[in-house]
Amino acid sequence: DQQVKQNSPSLSVQEGRISILNCDYTNSMFDYFLWYKKYPAEGPTFLISISSIKDKNEDGRFTVFLNKSAKHLSLHIVPSQPGDSAVYFCAASGAPGNMLTFGGGTRLMVKP
Amino acid sequence: ETGVTQTPRHLVMGMTNKKSLKCEQHLGHNAMYWYKQSAKKPLELMFVYNFKEQTENNSVPSRFSPECPNSSHLFLHLHTLQPEDSALYLCASSQDDRVRLFSGANVLTFGAGSRLTVL
Repeated sequence: DQQVKQNSPSLSVQEGRISILNCDYTNSMFDYFLWYKKYPAEGPTFLISISSIKDKNEDGRFTVFLNKSAKHLSLHIVPSQPGDSAVYFCAASGAPGNMLTFGGGTRLMVKP
Repeated sequence: ETGVTQTPRHLVMGMTNKKSLKCEQHLGHNAMYWYKQSAKKPLELMFVYNFKEQTENNSVPSRFSPECPNSSHLFLHLHTLQPEDSALYLCASSQDDRVRLFSGANVLTFGAGSRLTVL
């Protein structure tokens, strides 16, 4: 059973608008959450993370929101740019150990 | 070279062949990982090495055999694979598989992957 789920396989957004990517998890032991971005023919690259003691973390155009009670996190990209077009993976880790569990990814397409 | 380098980038092999995937990291990290990405599936953790010792084997079939001669190099030896093993194999590294950075998150740096096709 998947512990981390990204229910939208794809998302299309107009340049300049907000992109919202969603992720749900089931394991209440997860205490760190990360977003990775992957371009074709490249490996995933780390984008932003959040600890479970926070509900928001911001880095430039990227903001991650965490709703622990709903076991839901989201990544907001504002404003969206064509270069943001990629596959975005949500990942989570928690005790015991520190391994990352990944979601299936959401393909974001930002149209000029 | 910088980051995490994987070779070969593409590999086609028959079910009776023996081949190896290679990964090298130039980041001074102590932990290295193999992940498998199949079509329409999440990244699946296969193996973890920390300071050259295997710390995780995620119930991977024995036809996949990892080797970690030092903290900078990781191999995945392949033999008698099946067509369903065709996938993108990603190598990653991190500072340590147990220690968390100042952010508290175990941030992995990935290579570009080796695309494997088993005929």
